[in-house]
Amino acid sequence: SQKIEQNSEALNIQEGKTATLTCNYTNYSPAYLQWYRQDPGRGPVFLLLIRENEKEKRKERLKVTFDTTLKQSLFHITASQPADSATYLCALEAPWRDDKIIFGKGTRLHILP
Amino acid sequence: DTGVSQNPRHKITKRGQNVTFRCDPISEHNRLYWYRQTLGQGPEFLTYFQNEAQLEKSRLLSDRFSAERPKGSFSTLEIQRTEQGDSAMYLCASSNRDRGLGEQYFGPGTRLTVT
Repeated sequence: SQKIEQNSEALNIQEGKTATLTCNYTNYSPAYLQWYRQDPGRGPVFLLLIRENEKEKRKERLKVTFDTTLKQSLFHITASQPADSATYLCALEAPWRDDKIIFGKGTRLHILP
Repeated sequence: DTGVSQNPRHKITKRGQNVTFRCDPISEHNRLYWYRQTLGQGPEFLTYFQNEAQLEKSRLLSDRFSAERPKGSFSTLEIQRTEQGDSAMYLCASSNRDRGLGEQYFGPGTRLTVT
């Protein structure tokens, strides 16, 4: 079955630097890969979606890459700010599967002022 | 604000009782999803609706769980004979599959505590 691996430990990054989060999967390549942000006690907020035939997607300070050979997605936040501190979730969607969408456990990101 | 809303936000119940949660999606969204999330884990897919039709139900979902979406608008999730293992955050999300290719908008969740 599909498994998603995200950094289980919290990531501490100095303000102004680029934060890079990793999402690795083990089995089939999904049709879409999504990234969400989640703050404590709140629902996830959609950030970016990338299709299996796309290599890179950008939105303001955010960039996502998708490498189906490595079975990996990287999520970058440039010029990081303390307000970027949150848990970031990776989600794989495969509409043809019974387990249509699978979320990773998330990586906690702390941007240090 | 016309985001996804969920009620109640918190529910404490005794083991064996039935509980029902409500989700009001974004009005023009045709898809509605239910997830369960426990501490330190990502959301776990439970079921989803396309308009009023329930198209998929996770194999992990026991028979004690049932969801409805009458008229393709709001949805309810009922848990019968609650168990302590049902304690979790129940999240609802909606999307418009005609646009956004699965981009989901989540509600604030209902936190269930079974004592």
